[in-house]
Order: sequence, then structure tokens, then C-alpha cells
Amino acid sequence: DAGVTQSPTHLIKTRGQHVTLRCSPISGHKSVSWYQQVLGQGPQFIFQYYEKEERGRGNFPDRFSARQFPNYSSELNVNALLLGDSALYLCASSLGGQNTDTQYFGPGTRLTVL
Amino acid sequence: GENVEQHPSTLSVQEGDSAVIKCTYSDSASNYFPWYKQELGKRPQLIIDIRSNVGEKKDQRIAVTLNKTAKHFSLHITETQPEDSAVYFCAAIRGWGGSNYKLTFGKGTLLTVNP
Repeated sequence: DAGVTQSPTHLIKTRGQHVTLRCSPISGHKSVSWYQQVLGQGPQFIFQYYEKEERGRGNFPDRFSARQFPNYSSELNVNALLLGDSALYLCASSLGGQNTDTQYFGPGTRLTVL
Repeated sequence: GENVEQHPSTLSVQEGDSAVIKCTYSDSASNYFPWYKQELGKRPQLIIDIRSNVGEKKDQRIAVTLNKTAKHFSLHITETQPEDSAVYFCAAIRGWGGSNYKLTFGKGTLLTVNP
């Protein structure tokens, strides 16, 4: 389906480096959310953006930042990578007008920090 | 902040049996409760959801119940099939208002349906 896309698919970095993950929402969706999913756990909410404004933030350190562009795509940036940042990073898009809007997830970016 | 507890962590049933997964939440401001199914190596997909002003919702073999007073909600799958085998996540969402949006997932239940 012409769903949410994420890039890259896989990424290997070393501690202390910086990483940028990208997400393109479904056409017409104005909201993008980011999640971190560690193996065997549920996704943890990092950020939500709607119309380029931050709508919510989870309990993540300031090393994590994000932004949304005029075309509604989004980037998640993580600075000073730690081993514990290794995870699957999921992006989800929704229409965005209501918190009850269905979120559609992308395939994720698998980040490995060595 | 919100805390969502999900039980059991693993559940094994025989094909045709029913499966029930339970979640509790702590934030009374949460007003929307979706359930996601995640097959191995795939992305989470919404299977059913319920709003805080509704007590029960059903979609074919899947139903969700919500008890706002007790702050718990449950997923019920009847007539289970092997293709129902997956990890199921409950979630609680707090709504808009400035930067108040927050979605909290439970830790997941690995459901195995044995043929």
C-alpha cells in the first residue's frame, strides 16, 4: 500500500555519533509520531507533530529531537548515541485532527549502536 | 505520567478457544484506547479501538470492553485461529491541548494459537 515510509531500513552507528531518521506520512495525513521499540517491549512514545508543531513528548532525554516539514514529512534526530539507543524506531502517521485518529505505522528503522 | 499494565505477557490457546487480554491504566485523562497486533518482523496494525464514552465495542470475532471507573480495558478474541498468533499491544491515549498528547503502550501479550 502507499503507506508510511521510513528511511533508512537499517543503520549501524557507534557510541557518541549522531543519527537522523526520516519518515514520510500517508498522503493527506498531517500528523507524525515517533516511537522507540526495544526488542520484546511495547513501543515507547517519543514525539508527536501536527502541522509542524509539537503536540506531545514522551519521557526521552534532550538528545532526542524531531521536526516536521511543510510537506508533513518528519525527521527524528538522536545525538550522542548510547548503546541503549539500539532499537527499532517506528514512525506513525494520522490525519491529525483528533487524538482518536487511527495511527498507521511505517516499517521502522532498525538502529544498532556499537 | 501514564502507566499501562498489560496481562498476561504470554497466552497459549487451542484453536477455536477464546483469548482475553487485560490492561489497566493510571491517567484518568486518557480517553482513547486502541489495540494493535504486531506479527513477527512487521509493523503494528490497529485491530480495534474504544473511546472513553463507550463501554463495549465489537468487530466480528474481536471485542473490547472498557471500565472507566476501574481504569481497565480488555480485548476478547473468540473462535481463535492460528493466524491470530501475534503480539498484541494495548494503548492509552491522552488528548490534545497544547503539547498534552501522549500515547502509552502496554508491554504486549504474545498470543499463540495452537492448531
